[in-house]
Amino acid sequence: ELKVEQNPLFLSMQEGKNYTIYCNYSTTSDRLYWYRQDPGKSLESLFVLLSNGAVKQEGRLMASLDTKARLSTLHITAAVHDLSATYFCAVDIPPWSNDYKLSFGAGTTVTVRA
Amino acid sequence: GAGVSQSPRYKVAKRGQDVALRCDPISGHVSLFWYQQALGQGPEFLTYFQNEAQLDKSGLPSDRFFAERPEGSVSTLKIQRTQQEDSAVYLCASSSDYEQYFGPGTRLTVT
Repeated sequence: ELKVEQNPLFLSMQEGKNYTIYCNYSTTSDRLYWYRQDPGKSLESLFVLLSNGAVKQEGRLMASLDTKARLSTLHITAAVHDLSATYFCAVDIPPWSNDYKLSFGAGTTVTVRA
Repeated sequence: GAGVSQSPRYKVAKRGQDVALRCDPISGHVSLFWYQQALGQGPEFLTYFQNEAQLDKSGLPSDRFFAERPEGSVSTLKIQRTQQEDSAVYLCASSSDYEQYFGPGTRLTVT
C-alpha cells in the first residue's frame, strides 16, 4: 500500500521567515504534485514535478523532488499572510500506469502570523 | 476556459436517502476521477473513468456507491442508502494527461 506522509501537519509561520514542508512516499514514483487548498475551496495545482532533481519555483514557493530518497520539499521564502492555507502533496499510484490516480498526504495546515 | 463544475455544491441527506452528485469535466478531457475528502483529511481516490469506461473502482467504499459516465463526458456519483460516515466533500477531477484539474466539490452531510 502506497503511503504518503507529510510533516509537519500544522505549521505556524511568522511573516518574513522561511519554512519547509516535507513529503515522503513509500514507493517508486517519478511524478509528484503539490496542491493548495483554502478553507471550503477545492484544490489548486501549485507544482507538478516529473523527474528526479526537478525544481520548480513560483513566487515565494519552491518545490523539489528527490526520487531516490522518495522525498519532496516545499520551501516557503519570507512568508506572507496570503500563503495561509492547507498544502497537500500527492503521488501517482501506480506510477508506471496510465491510470494517474493520486494518493494524497494528510496535508499541512499553514497559518502565517504577523 | 471553463473549469470542472460540480453540482450541487451542498447536499444534506437524511440517513437512508439516495443521493446523486454530478460532475461536468473540462471539455475534451478523457480522464475523470472521483475523490472523497473527509474533514481534515487529504482526498482519497474512489473511481476513475477513461471516456465512458470505468477502469478502476477500487476506492469505492461499499456497493452503495456507484458511478457512471455514459457518454464519456458528464459523470454522476450515486450513493444509495446514505450513512453518516458518507459525510464528506466529494471532489471530481478531469485530465487530458497526467495533470488533474479539480472541481469545487460537493459537500455531503448525512443527518
